[in-house]
Amino acid sequence: VQLVQSGAEVKKPGESLKISCKGSGYIFTNYWIGWVRQMPGKGLEWMGIIYPGDSDLRYSPSFQGHVTISVDKSISTAYLQWSSLRASDTAMYYCVRGSLDYWGQGTLVTV
Amino acid sequence: EVVMTQSPATLSVSPGERATLSCRASQTVSRNLAWYQQKPGQAPRLLIYSASTRATGIPARFSGSGSGTEFTLTISSLQSEDFAVYYCQQYNNWYTFGQGTKLEFK
Repeated sequence: VQLVQSGAEVKKPGESLKISCKGSGYIFTNYWIGWVRQMPGKGLEWMGIIYPGDSDLRYSPSFQGHVTISVDKSISTAYLQWSSLRASDTAMYYCVRGSLDYWGQGTLVTV
Repeated sequence: EVVMTQSPATLSVSPGERATLSCRASQTVSRNLAWYQQKPGQAPRLLIYSASTRATGIPARFSGSGSGTEFTLTISSLQSEDFAVYYCQQYNNWYTFGQGTKLEFK
């Protein structure tokens, strides 16, 4: 089982961004995929979760409206995107399988 | 929102000693509680789920206990590779993490 995330990004405030998380080694549509933020030197924050089987989607209130989570089950990939980045979005972002046992390596976003 | 509070914030322990980390929930989370270890520059690693079940490949020196609102992670005999930050997470009512306990070398 692996979750492989896209590479580090450096963006300017106001720009858009979409990062990815590709699952392999298991049936992608059978497990939820969550996204977790870790700001520099800080703890872990759960952002939201999506079920690739039917795209059922839920957000934490703190992140609702600012990020969009999506999935393309045909290529076993989940996405996290922003339409207008802020400096405060600078963080490491992790995807995690819903069973909590497998995590991506993280994508560092610098705004 | 279920608030998870970990204590202490920092724990100084010598190798070979026992470490006890605590996690308290603001409301009952039954046994839907996980513990993670995170080392610098690495993703979190699942240690314990369902409050007391070790994840695959986790050494027996790690044990979890508790239910409801009070939980404990115990590391029976600290090894050098155990010095890290530890987080608890409840998944009974959405998902929330504690703020972490840093386990440092004494």
